[in-house]
Amino acid sequence: GQNIDQPTEMTATEGAIVQINCTYQTSGFNGLFWYQQHAGEAPTFLSYNVLDGLEEKGRFSSFLSRSKGYSYLLLKELQMKDSASYLCATTSGTYKYIFGTGTRLKVLA
Amino acid sequence: DSGVTQTPKHLITATGQRVTLRCSPRSGDLSVYWYQQSLDQGLQFLIQYYNGEERAKGNILERFSAQQFPDLHSELNLSSLELGDSALYFCASSARLGGAELFFGEGSRLTVL
Repeated sequence: GQNIDQPTEMTATEGAIVQINCTYQTSGFNGLFWYQQHAGEAPTFLSYNVLDGLEEKGRFSSFLSRSKGYSYLLLKELQMKDSASYLCATTSGTYKYIFGTGTRLKVLA
Repeated sequence: DSGVTQTPKHLITATGQRVTLRCSPRSGDLSVYWYQQSLDQGLQFLIQYYNGEERAKGNILERFSAQQFPDLHSELNLSSLELGDSALYFCASSARLGGAELFFGEGSRLTVL
């Protein structure tokens, strides 16, 4: 089966850097995704990693280590609008697209 | 706008009733996923279709069923509704199986009284 763990809540200050960790277990690994979800809204795609290493996209970067079953999302120059839930997700050989419970990030002024 | 359309946006009904939620995927996307999100909870995977065929199933209750039609739209049927079924139901689509970004609709908020 698939299992994903990520912290429930994190708090950071505007302008700072925050790292949100995700550990996963899955058979037939087919990629690790990060999504952002504002309260009451639909999730939106942030990043995708299928190979080990760091993927950078503007203020957001995502890292993957397949051997450790570990990923993180790095958010730089935090803004108030970054206050949201960040969802880690994996896909497997059975095509199940499973999400973690999400990390609620609060950005303080 | 993700290009995924879900109807209705809001639905209020009573216990024991049956409802149908509808989803139109992005143009060209063959894969449709259904998720349930209860208040302050994560996204629970229900079921996935690809080009009309069921490809993966999550912890979907027997009271729930779904299908994807030849025009690729999908419907999620929820029957014998219980209070605990109150949730936001999201549909998402992607261009291919596995390893693809999901595009989510705005969700259907179901309230069971």
